[in-house]
Amino acid sequence: GQQLNQSPQSMFIQEGEDVSMNCTSSSIFNTWLWYKQDPGEGPVLLIALYKAGELTSNGRLTAQFGITRKDSFLNISASIPSDVGIYFCAGRGRSGGSNYKLTFGKGTLLTVNP
Amino acid sequence: SAVISQKPSRDICQRGTSLTIQCQVDSQVTMMFWYRQQPGQSLTLIATANQGSEATYESGFVIDKFPISRPNLTFSTLTVSNMSPEDSSIYLCSVGQLNEAFFGQGTRLTVV
Repeated sequence: GQQLNQSPQSMFIQEGEDVSMNCTSSSIFNTWLWYKQDPGEGPVLLIALYKAGELTSNGRLTAQFGITRKDSFLNISASIPSDVGIYFCAGRGRSGGSNYKLTFGKGTLLTVNP
Repeated sequence: SAVISQKPSRDICQRGTSLTIQCQVDSQVTMMFWYRQQPGQSLTLIATANQGSEATYESGFVIDKFPISRPNLTFSTLTVSNMSPEDSSIYLCSVGQLNEAFFGQGTRLTVV
């Protein structure tokens, strides 16, 4: 099956620093989604990417759909304490009969030190 | 985005019992999904809940253990049957809209 490698597993940064995390896939994806999960909550969609090379921003967040269709990154600029949480990438490939069936990365735990 | 409500938000259950989790969506959706998130882990798809037909289960998950109902386009239930401590997880309902997926707040299940 499809596999997603997400890195880093965890990050501990100072408030104000920029953050970058990425995901790579063993196969081609048509869609990349980035989520944030706070403790005790479900994942919340941050950014959706649909085209190879697409670069999309949502406030201080920027994500890109890799040209090879096998990778994506998420950048957070000028981090603040409320950025703390687990960030997941998710991708949907070409194969498979179920629409919206996603494969998730293992997550990046972000800690921001005030 | 769809608003998804899950009940209960958390529960502590005795081994051997069953728990039914409800998922209500504020709009009609074709696709509903159930995920499991074990402690400190990522999300694993259990099954796709199809309205009007049986759910489609992923490898490693079976209907006898995780029966699913989908009586209409806004509601689904997942039952965790004959629970053991290994079933302690967060269970998440998800819906697909356009090319995106949205999640409920999850049900945190602890089996003792």
